[in-house]
Amino acid sequence: GAGVSQSPSNKVTEKGKDVELRCDPISGHTALYWYRQSLGQGLEFLIYFQGNSAPDKSGLPSDRFSAERTGGSVSTLTIQRTQQEDSAVYLCASSPSSGQLYGYTFGSGTRLTVV
Amino acid sequence: SQQGEEDPQALSIQEGENATMNCSYKTSINNLQWYRQNSGRGLVHLILIRSNEREKHSGRLRVTLDTSKKSSSLLITASRAADTASYFCATVTGANSKLTFGKGITLSVRP
Repeated sequence: GAGVSQSPSNKVTEKGKDVELRCDPISGHTALYWYRQSLGQGLEFLIYFQGNSAPDKSGLPSDRFSAERTGGSVSTLTIQRTQQEDSAVYLCASSPSSGQLYGYTFGSGTRLTVV
Repeated sequence: SQQGEEDPQALSIQEGENATMNCSYKTSINNLQWYRQNSGRGLVHLILIRSNEREKHSGRLRVTLDTSKKSSSLLITASRAADTASYFCATVTGANSKLTFGKGITLSVRP
């Protein structure tokens, strides 16, 4: 597609349930990033993919968070046993390669609300 | 940990005025980027300046970088109400590394 697509755009889930967030990057972009943004805050890095591998997953807040990328394209961020503090906007971005030469193209995000 | 920190946190100006936003960072960088965010959703890439560059222009935007002071500024000239948004600086510090964002500046342009 023309841009980075994220789904769903909004997700309300009950505490303790698992959720999956999807990111479809721009075709041909090898680098893919997940961030989250809490209300009024900056962006918190979660994980970075180069192709299907994740050289940097240092931002995942706990072992309840995991992510994968298949075929060098679509990525899924999974949050298990959701907690209220997981409520945030989860943003995905892609770039043609790692961040030294190019800016990121962001999706519109998934707003996750844990009730 | 926070790499880029923007200043001021909020800025309110009249349409037609210039807006200057500053960013300071702590460690050596490969490049610094500025992004705009409307309505708390996706960010839009505005401009990228490499560590060996000192100034860059794009339309009404002018970015400067002073690596000796570890600081950058974003100037928006002849501001418009549509420029109202949050602006973030972000840095890339190493090979294959991710962008690290500041907390952002809220710019309000009054018609």
